[in-house]
Amino acid sequence: QVQLVESGGGVVQPGGSLRLSCAASGFTFYSYGMHWVRQAPGKGLEWVAFIRYDGSNKYYADSVRGRFTISRDNSKNTLYLQMNSLRAEDTAVYYCAKDGVRGAGRPGLRYFDYWGQGTLVTVSS
Amino acid sequence: QSVLTQPPSVSGAPGQRVTISCTGSSSNIGAGYDVHWYQQLLGTAPKLLIYGNSDRPSGVPDRFSGSKSGTSASLAITGLQTDDEADYYCQSYDRSLSGYVFGTGTKVTVL
Repeated sequence: QVQLVESGGGVVQPGGSLRLSCAASGFTFYSYGMHWVRQAPGKGLEWVAFIRYDGSNKYYADSVRGRFTISRDNSKNTLYLQMNSLRAEDTAVYYCAKDGVRGAGRPGLRYFDYWGQGTLVTVSS
Repeated sequence: QSVLTQPPSVSGAPGQRVTISCTGSSSNIGAGYDVHWYQQLLGTAPKLLIYGNSDRPSGVPDRFSGSKSGTSASLAITGLQTDDEADYYCQSYDRSLSGYVFGTGTKVTVL
């Protein structure tokens, strides 16, 4: 069965950095794009970033572009999110999510078919 | 700042039918992009409920159904059960933002 396990969350000061990891199992990781989605306390869901199955293309939400970097290591079945210049408004539970479309596909078709349990990032002094 | 609008809450008695609307614009739903729906039980990760406007993943009861028309989409829950109490989110792609967008979320309460 598909399993996604996030780690790396914690408390960080404004302006600081953090790297999240997502260990994947139960599917052919190298065949699927992957996403990060976040949820601020008591708020709705916000898509953060997407990386293609082969890592060749990456897309970001305006709110994180230039500060966050998504990457993957297909040899380790692991997804990453490097977060720099963190702000209070980045405080959220961060979920990694598997794309429901195998391989290259049109952006308009993508959805999130499996989610991890999430890891909490708190940006506070 | 969600670009897909949902009612904050809907409620119904056990066994009843409720619907949740998801209103977008010409840059997302109206542009022909698919709409997907997620269920989030309290304190848990979201779960895929409907994909491709109206398809259900294996294991999702047929009490849940989705539809799309113009710049809007809807999720219907028939035979409402107490286990259906959760937050529900729609999701699509927005070409103006070049990214994926979620609805504002709807809390379903079973009376």
